[in-house]
Amino acid sequence: EVQLVQSGAEVKEPGESLKISCKGSGYSFTSYWIGWVRQMPGKGLEWMGIIYPGDSDTTYSPSFQGQVTISVDKSISTAYLHWSSLKASDTAMYYCARRGYTYGFVYWGQGTLVTVSS
Amino acid sequence: QSALTQPASVSGSPGQSITISCTGTSSDVGGYDYVSWYQQHPGKAPKLMIYDVSKRPSGVSNRFSGSKSGNTASLTISGLQAEDEADYHCSSYTSSNTLEVFGGGTKLTVL
Repeated sequence: EVQLVQSGAEVKEPGESLKISCKGSGYSFTSYWIGWVRQMPGKGLEWMGIIYPGDSDTTYSPSFQGQVTISVDKSISTAYLHWSSLKASDTAMYYCARRGYTYGFVYWGQGTLVTVSS
Repeated sequence: QSALTQPASVSGSPGQSITISCTGTSSDVGGYDYVSWYQQHPGKAPKLMIYDVSKRPSGVSNRFSGSKSGNTASLTISGLQAEDEADYHCSSYTSSNTLEVFGGGTKLTVL
């Protein structure tokens, strides 16, 4: 069974750094693209970026380029989303999701709630 | 402002059919057959309902169908049931440098 298990909720202050994780299991981790999706409170989904774990090829949405870093550790089948300096506007639910053989996300993590507040 | 345009809300009575539209441009919806639809219940992760415009993943009810005409994709739900009440999001591949974009989401109310 394919599973994506994300790290737990985080409460941070503005300016702090943060890395949240997404561990894949039940499939060949290096063979499928994994993306990150933001959902701000009461809002729609936003496509942030995507990474191919096999070679770490990464594409970011222009809205998120330079604001976050997507990475993977193949040895532990885990993808990451990293902020070097959080802002209050980063408060949102963040989902990791895996593609199938085409575009669109077939499998989703349970989400990680990030709250940034002073 | 989302890249793809969806109505904010639609509603229907049990047993009826409803259609949700998703309008983009020739650089995304109109140019490629890579439109997906997701269902999201409150407090839950999205669930893929349709991919490649009209294909259903295994396990998704055949009451859900997708289509496309020009720059507009559509999700139709027939035989509405109470459990269909949820938010629905479309997405599409785009030739812009973002690769994929979502619509703003549509809240479906089953009356």
